[in-house]
Amino acid sequence: EAQVTQNPRYLITVTGKKLTVTCSQNMNHEYMSWYRQDPGLGLRQIYYSMNVEVTDKGDVPEGYKVSRKEKRNFPLILESPSPNQTSLYFCASSTTWSGGMSPLHFGNGTRLTVT
Amino acid sequence: KNEVEQSPQNLTAQEGEFITINCSYSVGISALHWLQQHPGGGIVSLFMLSSGKKKHGRLIATINIQEKHSSLHITASHPRDSAVYICAVRFGAGGTSYGKLTFGQGTILTVHP
Repeated sequence: EAQVTQNPRYLITVTGKKLTVTCSQNMNHEYMSWYRQDPGLGLRQIYYSMNVEVTDKGDVPEGYKVSRKEKRNFPLILESPSPNQTSLYFCASSTTWSGGMSPLHFGNGTRLTVT
Repeated sequence: KNEVEQSPQNLTAQEGEFITINCSYSVGISALHWLQQHPGGGIVSLFMLSSGKKKHGRLIATINIQEKHSSLHITASHPRDSAVYICAVRFGAGGTSYGKLTFGQGTILTVHP
C-alpha cells in the first residue's frame, strides 16, 4: 500500500532533550516536506526537499534540522526542543517532473508536547 | 509577502445545500492545492490545479489565474463532508523554491443532517 509513515504518533518530552521524528514513503517520491499545525495559525512549512541531498527552508525552520540521505526517508530533528515547538507535525511527499508536481500524500501526523 | 486568504473561516450548512469555499492569493502562482482534514484525522489532498476546473464526485475546484482566486464547491452536501478545508499555494516558478508551500487559514465546515 502506498503510504507516508510517520513515527511516533505521540511524543511527550522535556525541554532540551534531542528528538527525531521519522518520515518514510514507499512511493519513490522525489519531494518530501515537513509542516507544523497550530491552532489559529494553521499549517506552516518547516523544511522541504526536492530530492536526495537537496533541502531548503520553509517559513518556520528555526529550531529544526532535516536531512535527506536517501530518497524514502526525511527525518525531522529537534536538537534542543522548547515548549513553543509543541505542535502537530505532518510529513508529506509527492512526485515531481519538469512541468510540475503531483498531489501531496500526507502522513498521519505526530503530536509533540514539550514540557 | 506572499499571502493566502480563505473565506469564510467557518461555514454551517444543512444537508443537501451547495457549498462554496474561497481562496485568494497575492501574487502569481505555479499551482494550488485543496486539502481536507477531518476532526482528529489526517490530511487528504482533494485537488491540485494550475488552471481551469477539476471535478471529482460532488467536489468541484476552479481557479481563475487573472483574478488570483480559487473556489472549492461541494454539491448536495452531506454530514460526512464536515471537515476543515485548506488551500495551499505554490508561489515558486522554478528551482528549489518550487517546493515552498503557503497555506490558507482553513475553513471549518459543519453540515447538519
